[in-house]
Amino acid sequence: ETGVTQTPRHLVMGMTNKKSLKCEQHLGHNAMYWYKQSAKKPLELMFVYSLEERVENNSVPSRFSPECPNSSHLFLHLHTLQPEDSALYLCASSQELGTYSYEQYFGPGTRLTVT
Amino acid sequence: QKEVEQNSGPLSVPEGAIASLNCTYSDRGSQSFFWYRQYSGKSPELIMFIYSNGDKEDGRFTAQLNKASQYVSLLIRDSQPSDSATYLCAVEGSGNTPLVFGKGTRLSVIA
Repeated sequence: ETGVTQTPRHLVMGMTNKKSLKCEQHLGHNAMYWYKQSAKKPLELMFVYSLEERVENNSVPSRFSPECPNSSHLFLHLHTLQPEDSALYLCASSQELGTYSYEQYFGPGTRLTVT
Repeated sequence: QKEVEQNSGPLSVPEGAIASLNCTYSDRGSQSFFWYRQYSGKSPELIMFIYSNGDKEDGRFTAQLNKASQYVSLLIRDSQPSDSATYLCAVEGSGNTPLVFGKGTRLSVIA
């Protein structure tokens, strides 16, 4: 399998549920990202990991909890979400975190609906 | 607050015409600039990147960068209906800062 994969592709969850989104990259990259994309809004960067260490947390509510066990895998653990958290969640990776190594490749996304 | 601005569109062009997509950015120290294409319901796909002032051509696509004016554009020659999508401009700021994305411009190529 090549590129960046995400599972599940679609998720419907209640506000009291706990679920996890999974991302895997097969590109040998060292940096991974979680983005949120809501309708008519720009992509919102949520978390950045470089060599399994979190380097950025863009004021994301604690109901979103990332985990990066190795440079190929990234998880987003979800609990007690709100309806406004419904969005497309995109994972991306890049070779490194820095200038000129910055081309990011996106996974297909997880369409999340919170009921 | 680093910002990337794009007209949301829709930008409508006839098939075979040149589509011109524009983007301005606020961080004067930005070094790397990217254009992504996103079809409806799909994830963004990298189509061009540019680091130096001037033009960079790749097939029907040309990226243009003017750092003095803090302006980057994407030209699509011989536009096809399959080019209809939202085009996202992304800018990497100075230092090891992540990409900042614009809201995107929706392009519609009319057959």
